[in-house]
This record gives sequence, C-alpha cells and structure tokens, in this order.
Amino acid sequence: AQSVTQLDSHVSVSEGTPVLLRCNYSSSYSPSLFWYVQHPNKGLQLLLKYTSAATLVKGINGFEAEFKKSETSFHLTKPSAHMSDAAEYFCVVSVPQAGTALIFGKGTTLSVSS
Amino acid sequence: KAGVTQTPRYLIKTRGQQVTLSCSPISGHRSVSWYQQTPGQGLQFLFEYFSETQRNKGNFPGRFSGRQFSNSRSEMNVSTLELGDSALYLCASSLGQGVVDTQYFGPGTRLTVL
Repeated sequence: AQSVTQLDSHVSVSEGTPVLLRCNYSSSYSPSLFWYVQHPNKGLQLLLKYTSAATLVKGINGFEAEFKKSETSFHLTKPSAHMSDAAEYFCVVSVPQAGTALIFGKGTTLSVSS
Repeated sequence: KAGVTQTPRYLIKTRGQQVTLSCSPISGHRSVSWYQQTPGQGLQFLFEYFSETQRNKGNFPGRFSGRQFSNSRSEMNVSTLELGDSALYLCASSLGQGVVDTQYFGPGTRLTVL
C-alpha cells in the first residue's frame, strides 16, 4: 500500500534561517510526489511536484525538494524563511494504481518567528 | 483564469439532516475530486468525477455521494448527517488527463454538524 510520513508535526524557525520539512514515502510503484501548502482558512496551494523527471524540483516562493529513491524521501527545503511561510505543509503521493486519488501526509505546521 | 470555487463556505446542520455542497472547477478542467479534512484523520479522498461519471472512490460510507454536470460543476451530498461529518470539505479540479495531473484546490466548505 502507498503511504506518506511527515516526520515532524511542528517545525519552528527564525526568519532568515533555512527551512527543512521532512517526508518519507512508501510505494511499490513509481510515485508522483507533491508538496502543498495550506494557510489558515484557505485551500491548498501546490508548491511543487515530482513526476520522474529531474530529481531536484524547484517550486514557487523559493521552495525546492529532492527526490531520493534510495532513501524513499522527498524533503522540502528553503534557504531563508519568511514570515509569510508560516502555514501547514502537506507531502502528497500519487500512484497509478490508486487512480487520481492523492494520498496525504498528516501535515507539518511551520512557525516562523522574527 | 478564475480558480476553483466552492459554495457555501460555511454550513451548520444538525444530526440526521442532509447537505449538498457545490464545486465549480477551473474553466476547461473536466475532473473534480472531493476530499474531507478533519483534525483526527487529516485529508482523505472521497471520490472523483470525470465527464459526469464517478471514476474513483475512497473508503467512505454510502451516505456520501456526488455527481457531476455536463459543465463539469460537481455537487457532493451527505445524507443522515453525523457529528463526525463535521469537517472541511475540499474539492479539486484538474484536466483529467492522468495521475500526474496537478489538482487545484478550492477554499473549502466548513461543515459543522450539531
């Protein structure tokens, strides 16, 4: 079965410091992987997606993620946090055998302090 | 292009009632998926409609149903509401061309069951 584990439920950083949100996936098939962000009382916004092309994926707002098959990981990073990055982040997996259903991790809440 | 819209944004119902939620996809998108978001279970896939047909279904009871119209707008219905149905219901639209499609989410409908 496919699943995704976000290793930290809450991450706190200071503005201007790097961000690392960790995600491991489990899949018997070649997955597509996504990171979505959800701000309070808002819907989900796609940050980036991996679909078996380049393993280093660049997204919006300076975020990027690296697909590492050997480690079954897809960690999200950003060199310098901004106050506006405070939100909940979801790592998501999609596999053909599940159709178009997205499988979400439990989410990581990112707090950014000044 | 206008994004995914959902109406109403907030609903309060009592146990035993039924409710209908509406989702208008991005123009040109033919696939609409529905997800339930709760603090305990996180984000879970309900079902997906493509060209007026249910193409994929998650693990929810039959009280949860949906339909899609010829203009790709979709409705979701929940009958005999239970307290546990209180959640944020998100719909997402995509072109419907395959599992690597990007799904674009609406702001959600917040359902409270009393």
